Amino acid sequence: TQLLEQSPQFLSIQEGENLTVYCNSSSVFSSLQWYRQEPGEGPVLLVTVVTGGEVKKLKRLTFQFGDARKDSSLHITAAQTGDTGLYLCAGEGGATNKLIFGTGTLLAVQP
Amino acid sequence: KAGVTQTPRYLIKTRGQQVTLSCSPISGHRSVSWYQQTPGQGLQFLFEYFSETQRNKGNFPGRFSGRQFSNSRSEMNVSTLELGDSALYLCASRRGSDTEAFFGQGTRLTVV
Repeated sequence: TQLLEQSPQFLSIQEGENLTVYCNSSSVFSSLQWYRQEPGEGPVLLVTVVTGGEVKKLKRLTFQFGDARKDSSLHITAAQTGDTGLYLCAGEGGATNKLIFGTGTLLAVQP
Repeated sequence: KAGVTQTPRYLIKTRGQQVTLSCSPISGHRSVSWYQQTPGQGLQFLFEYFSETQRNKGNFPGRFSGRQFSNSRSEMNVSTLELGDSALYLCASRRGSDTEAFFGQGTRLTVV
């Protein structure tokens, strides 16, 4: 069974601080996606990474896919209150192409 | 282009009843996946339909079932509701088998 563990589970920081969220697995994924979910809404796709070692930047967000395609990280620079939400990683791989979600990281950015 | 539409947004049912949730995917998307989200368990995969066929199934009891129609719209049914079925049910639409997933706003089901 493919599992994705995210850390930390909860994170509360002040506006302007930097943070990193990790997504780890013992399984190899053909691609990995990051989503952000706000209360009462569905997750919204932020980025997809497909190549081992790949780094993608989305404004203040930097996403990295591990060389072995088993892990990923999300780094936010100078966090803003609008970054508050649940961050989810999701991996796709194996024969079924099923999308498996990580355990989630709940981020709260205080003004 | 319209996004993923789930109906209803909110639902309150009593134990033992059954419920049907609906999901209309993005036009052109043939894959619809269903997830259950609870605070304790996170996002749990229920099943995926692709071109009217169930392609993947999660580890949920047989009370949870689904189907997909020729226009790609999908329904999910839960029979003999239990208190523990209270959750946000999310539907995700994908164009093919290896593309990004786009989610609806979800249906918040409360079982009392």
